Amino acid sequence: NAGVMQNPRHLVRRRGQEARLRCSPMKGHSHVYWYRQLPEEGLKFMVYLQKENIIDESGMPKERFSAEFPKEGPSILRIQQVVRGDSAAYFCASSPLTSGVDTQYFGPGTRLTVL
Amino acid sequence: QQQVKQSPQSLIVQKGGISIINCAYENTAFDYFPWYQQFPGKGPALLIAIRPDVSEKKEGRFTISFNKSAKQFSLHIMDSQPGDSATYFCAASRRRSQGNLIFGKGTKLSVKP
Repeated sequence: NAGVMQNPRHLVRRRGQEARLRCSPMKGHSHVYWYRQLPEEGLKFMVYLQKENIIDESGMPKERFSAEFPKEGPSILRIQQVVRGDSAAYFCASSPLTSGVDTQYFGPGTRLTVL
Repeated sequence: QQQVKQSPQSLIVQKGGISIINCAYENTAFDYFPWYQQFPGKGPALLIAIRPDVSEKKEGRFTISFNKSAKQFSLHIMDSQPGDSATYFCAASRRRSQGNLIFGKGTKLSVKP
């Protein structure tokens, strides 16, 4: 039973480029959460999605960031026109239950570096 | 506003000793308090969690102590081993909320052989 998959594991972008981060939840999980971890910081919630729906995006920056979780395929976190401050580790977690805070399984993360 | 405060930032313990990490929260609506363990280059993994209806939960060498009136909870690692060296995060959430976890800033634990 494969865990949460994230790719790429490392991503380097130049300022102004777009970054696309993918997350495939565990089999049978239909809920995905994205978190951002800045160096020496804890994880900060960004967005919670179910299939084809954004449930809570209260942690998402208002501009340049978007997320989707289509009916088929992985969840995508998209960052447009990246800036150096976007450099961080981005983790997704998946859950099989609504409001499943106690059943969130984290992926290995994507480490984004903006040059 | 930091809703979960974690201390210390780093901790060095001798093998066989007890590691203690503390967290304090502000929102009295929180009702789920997990601890996550993270190794370098890996994602966080759930270690142990507690709900406010109990004051202590033990799983192997790991124990959570919970003080509802003080709004504090702590992780105790008994007989600490070099393999326990990792970063530990406390978190809190409202289980009836949309499910997002509020994390502390983490404690980097080093267990010396």
